[in-house]
Amino acid sequence: KNQVEQSPQSLIILEGKNCTLQCNYTVSPFSNLRWYKQDTGRGPVSLTIMTFSENTKSNGRYTATLDADTKQSSLHITASQLSDSASYICVVTGLTGRRALTFGSGTRLQVQP
Amino acid sequence: NAGVTQTPKFQVLKTGQSMTLQCAQDMNHNSMYWYRQDPGMGLRLIYYSASEGTTDKGEVPNGYNVSRLNKREFSLRLESAAPSQTSVYFCASRWTSGGQGYEQYFGPGTRLTVT
Repeated sequence: KNQVEQSPQSLIILEGKNCTLQCNYTVSPFSNLRWYKQDTGRGPVSLTIMTFSENTKSNGRYTATLDADTKQSSLHITASQLSDSASYICVVTGLTGRRALTFGSGTRLQVQP
Repeated sequence: NAGVTQTPKFQVLKTGQSMTLQCAQDMNHNSMYWYRQDPGMGLRLIYYSASEGTTDKGEVPNGYNVSRLNKREFSLRLESAAPSQTSVYFCASRWTSGGQGYEQYFGPGTRLTVT
């Protein structure tokens, strides 16, 4: 069964610090991997998308990496801000059938002043 | 350009009551989706519609029905609500072509409580 596991489940950091969130997946064959940010009470919004041939993708202070051999991805947040407080969801798209999306359960990040 | 809109934002139902969640998108996307999000779990696909006039079951379709009214609108109906259907429901849409799916856009969600 296709799975996406994220760690840690939750994380508290101080404003200005960096952090890294992890995503391990078993989806195969694999089309692409996305990281979404979900603010409390809102729908997820895409941060980055990577295909299997891409190793890294940046979006401002967010940098995602992908190792398709080990089926691992990470999201690095630099110089965190209070507005980064949210859940971060890793989503993997399969390559077969209707290209179903498999969602991780998310990492809840809290940035404190 | 409103993106994906959902109504209502909040709803409380008693067990056995029925209701319809509405979703509309103005991005001319052909594919639309309904997900539910429960604490500690990833979003799970309830139903999807790859194009106007077609609908298919997702991972957790039991207790739900859908209607793709036209290209813009995709509704989710609970015929006889159960406490297990207490959840946050998200509608999403995206453009798909030749088996390739592009960016998926989500609505703001409907928080449903069934007592």
